[in-house]
Amino acid sequence: SQQGEEDPQALSIQEGENATMNCSYKTSINNLQWYRQNSGRGLVHLILIRSNEREKHSGRLRVTLDTSKKSSSLLITASRAADTASYFCATHRGDEKLTFGTGTRLTIIP
Amino acid sequence: DTAVSQTPKYLVTQMGNDKSIKCEQNLGHDTMYWYKQDSKKFLKIMFSYNNKELIINETVPNRFSPKSPDKAHLNLHINSLELGDSAVYFCASSQAYRGPESLAFFGQGTRLTVV
Repeated sequence: SQQGEEDPQALSIQEGENATMNCSYKTSINNLQWYRQNSGRGLVHLILIRSNEREKHSGRLRVTLDTSKKSSSLLITASRAADTASYFCATHRGDEKLTFGTGTRLTIIP
Repeated sequence: DTAVSQTPKYLVTQMGNDKSIKCEQNLGHDTMYWYKQDSKKFLKIMFSYNNKELIINETVPNRFSPKSPDKAHLNLHINSLELGDSAVYFCASSQAYRGPESLAFFGQGTRLTVV
């Protein structure tokens, strides 16, 4: 069954603005991972946040995790045209399966 | 150097045919996966192998058979292809299948079109 749900499904913003995507999940997790998929390409991992972490940064990316609300957010600051892609959250529950959400399609308007 | 490579990138074939997709990773990872991405971009795991041992076998038709000759390779064979098999199939690998080592590296995908 599907574990993660991203919100919004699609997001269009002007270049330079910040983009925020949210992910909600249903069961307890060991870690949560964010991936980017450019059109026609494979997924590339961006950030992994463990269940005992609340926030993590990587360059222009900031990920938060609220295990009490079973939600995570991905913030991309100072967006660029090259950030146009689909973004997926994936949860790992400590068993053998990484389960992906439905994805947010982000479009950066130059 | 490509970390996870899968071939072919595109595959167009007729219903009823049998086809294989190959995957190789040069990352020294222990775990490999096959995912299917449908037209709505929903990504679903099909199989996972750890050190050549099958550890995840989701509910997929038994026309799909994975084969792992060694831990660097995981191939996917599909028998009697159906129209509904049309999708993009992704191979991925990770250091391990638990914890933070489950961070996955994906191949570029194989777009399968069954006509």
